[in-house]
Amino acid sequence: DTAVSQTPKYLVTQMGNDKSIKCEQNLGHDTMYWYKQDSKKFLKIMFSYNNKELIINETVPNRFSPKSPDKAHLNLHINSLELGDSAVYFCASSQDRGRYEQYFGPGTRLTVT
Amino acid sequence: AQSVTQLGSHVSVSEGALVLLRCNYSSSVPPYLFWYVQYPNQGLQLLLKYTSAATLVKGINGFEAEFKKSETSFHLTKPSAHMSDAAEYFCAVTEGGGGNKLTFGTGTQLKVEL
Repeated sequence: DTAVSQTPKYLVTQMGNDKSIKCEQNLGHDTMYWYKQDSKKFLKIMFSYNNKELIINETVPNRFSPKSPDKAHLNLHINSLELGDSAVYFCASSQDRGRYEQYFGPGTRLTVT
Repeated sequence: AQSVTQLGSHVSVSEGALVLLRCNYSSSVPPYLFWYVQYPNQGLQLLLKYTSAATLVKGINGFEAEFKKSETSFHLTKPSAHMSDAAEYFCAVTEGGGGNKLTFGTGTQLKVEL
């Protein structure tokens, strides 16, 4: 069984559209994250949820809205997509909000045309 | 504030040669440090972690890293490179605090040649 899974793996869409990426973890972890990897492979955290509570909210445009229906799921909704949103988005989870190692999903490659 | 610097965006070694990937960190508190590996079109896989216990940390696939506080370094090594080690390697640091935010270095692309 995949520990951290994301859907879809690839997402191609046009500017101005709204899209969502879903993430699920079956590790029983309490904390989940979204990271963005740009074209130069630089990774930067976007959000973190602990037991459905938002605990990290980096400087991200308001067009990005995370939602955690339960502690095993963390979705990312993006409104009014822009060319600059093209990137690989990774979901991750860790045991708790302390300094535990994070386990990453396979990534979602978003291409905005 | 926490930060990581990885010297050398590209490293090339011969198969069987020593692998050395450099990582220096900055942290206002004793850090936790991690090395992750990313194969093409895949997610990140944890190689090893330093959590203030032993300074020499052994990880998967024969990799190890040594935490040196005086040098603020956490370099990754492997005695003998294998073709399957070719990948992107990321060093990361977390201070904990309000959330377990990982700050990544810019990555090092390892190429292994015959």
